[in-house]
Parts: sequence; C-alpha cells; structure tokens
Amino acid sequence: LAKTTQPISMDSYEGQEVNITCSHNNIATNDYITWYQQFPSQGPRFIIQGYKTKVTNEVASLFIPADRKSSTLSLPRVSLSDTAVYYCLVGGGEGSQGNLIFGKGTKLSVKP
Amino acid sequence: DVKVTQSSRYLVKRTGEKVFLECVQDMDHENMFWYRQDPGLGLRLIYFSYDVKMKEKGDIPEGYSVSREKKERFSLILESASTNQTSMYLCASSPRHEQFFGPGTRLTVL
Repeated sequence: LAKTTQPISMDSYEGQEVNITCSHNNIATNDYITWYQQFPSQGPRFIIQGYKTKVTNEVASLFIPADRKSSTLSLPRVSLSDTAVYYCLVGGGEGSQGNLIFGKGTKLSVKP
Repeated sequence: DVKVTQSSRYLVKRTGEKVFLECVQDMDHENMFWYRQDPGLGLRLIYFSYDVKMKEKGDIPEGYSVSREKKERFSLILESASTNQTSMYLCASSPRHEQFFGPGTRLTVL
C-alpha cells in the first residue's frame, strides 16, 4: 500500500499562491490521487483529483510528475477562508476501492 | 447536492456497551466507507462496502463490524465499546473515485 507524507503545517498570507506537496513513493499503477479540504467540525470536502500530469478546476490545480511518486496541490491567491486542513489520498483505483491511504493532513493557516 | 447524513453528531457511551453508528446517503452510490479520525493520525479506514451485503476490511477493523442491508445505509457497530474507541467517526459514499463525507460523529466512551 502506498504511504503518503505531507507537511504538518504551512503558513501563508492572503493573495499568495500556496503549494502543498504530498509524497507517495509506493503508488500503484491504478491508484488515483485526490485532495480534500476539511474545516473544524466538518467532514472532508473534495477539492481535486488526478491520475497524471496536470489537472485544473475552478478552485485548485494538481500537478503530478511522470513518476507519480508525489503530487502538488496549488491554491491560487488564497484567502482567510482557505484556512483548513488539506489531505491527500492515494488509492481507489479499479479493483482496489478499499486501498485508500490518507495523508495525516497539512494545516494551512492564512493570515491577513 | 449529495447528502450523507450520520445519525448523531455527538454520542457518549460506557465501556462494554454495544454502539451503532448509522450512515445514510441519498445518491444511489455503490461504495460506502467508515473512517475514524484521531489527532495526529489523520483518517484511517475501518471498513468499506462496494455493494449491498458486501463488505471489506480496511486498515483498522479490529473491534468493529459493519452492516449494509440496503444500498443507502451503512452501519458501523462497536460490539463492546472500549475507551480506545473514543474518536471522530466519518462516513463517506462514492460513485467511483470521489468521496462525499458526512459531518461526523464524535463518540466518547467512558
């Protein structure tokens, strides 16, 4: 099973771009990489998902290098409301829906 | 919007009690999951189900069992609650890869 490692915490200021990297050296061929956001007293909320290269949606971008052993979540121009814990999740490919490994989360603090 | 509901937000039980945590989803998703979340440990998968009456163990199934008699409902059972099962329990459902989480149940076992 893939093990994921991400920084425990990060600080940023409003308007900056934030990049959070997750390492997953043992990722399997059919594993997906998914990022979630969690606010206190709430369940995690899906942000973005990818398999390889780059994925972009209205809130974030996800960069995955060719070897897929890491991934970087990029949040453009963060605001105070982006203060949350961000988790990367590896797994969930076909035939391995239960092979889901969450990272321990990165607590992002955005300051004014 | 997908809605995943959990029967209780807060629950207090005594050691040795049998505890049922219920989860219901309204989007006809095949897959449902139970996690526990502890400070410094992140989310850890207890059990998941990919169809009615089907279940698979996750990373930490010891001390837990599950039941899925209907597609929309996935129950987590603590046969004999212990203090080390004090935690936040999160349920999720998924059509394929993206998971939708409920608000969580904070269980305290005294």
